[in-house]
Amino acid sequence: NAGVMQNPRHLVRRRGQEARLRCSPMKGHSHVYWYRQLPEEGLKFMVYLQKENIIDESGMPKERFSAEFPKEGPSILRIQQVVRGDSAAYFCASSPPTGAVYEQYFGPGTRLTVT
Amino acid sequence: AQSVAQPEDQVNVAEGNPLTVKCTYSVSGNPYLFWYVQYPNRGLQFLLKYITGDNLVKGSYGFEAEFNKSQTSFHLKKPSALVSDSALYFCAVRDGKGGGADGLTFGKGTHLIIQP
Repeated sequence: NAGVMQNPRHLVRRRGQEARLRCSPMKGHSHVYWYRQLPEEGLKFMVYLQKENIIDESGMPKERFSAEFPKEGPSILRIQQVVRGDSAAYFCASSPPTGAVYEQYFGPGTRLTVT
Repeated sequence: AQSVAQPEDQVNVAEGNPLTVKCTYSVSGNPYLFWYVQYPNRGLQFLLKYITGDNLVKGSYGFEAEFNKSQTSFHLKKPSALVSDSALYFCAVRDGKGGGADGLTFGKGTHLIIQP
């Protein structure tokens, strides 16, 4: 059973460009979470999605950031007009449908560098 | 709002000695508590969780954690440290009020260094 997959692993963008980060959850998992990790800091929750629905985006910056989890295909975190402060590691996690409290399983992350 | 505090940026332990990594939390409902470990340039690996039941929970790689409701703590422990335990450890909480499916709130992490 493959784990959570993220691509690309490393992404370099110039200021003003768009960044697209992809996440494929574990098989059977329908809940996807995105987190951002700044250097020397813990992970900060950004958004929680289920298929075709955003459940909680309270941690998402109001501008330039968006996320989706379509019926088919991976979840996408999109950052428009990137700035240097967006440089960070972005982690995706997934968990099975609720009915019990499950731990989240994390992908290897995408390291975004904005030059 | 929920929060997690890991008061130590770094913990140094000699190989073979017991280790403790501290964590305290704050939530309004019942806490669901988790420990994760992160190796350099890798994602987080789940170690253990407390949802309900026994206050002492056992997890992967010989780690265990003790839930203490009165002290709002969930310290990670291991009886005998290995050099390979050296990594970054994160404590996380989610509030049971939300039904258990919300995003996690993480502490800043503690670097655990095991000296040979």
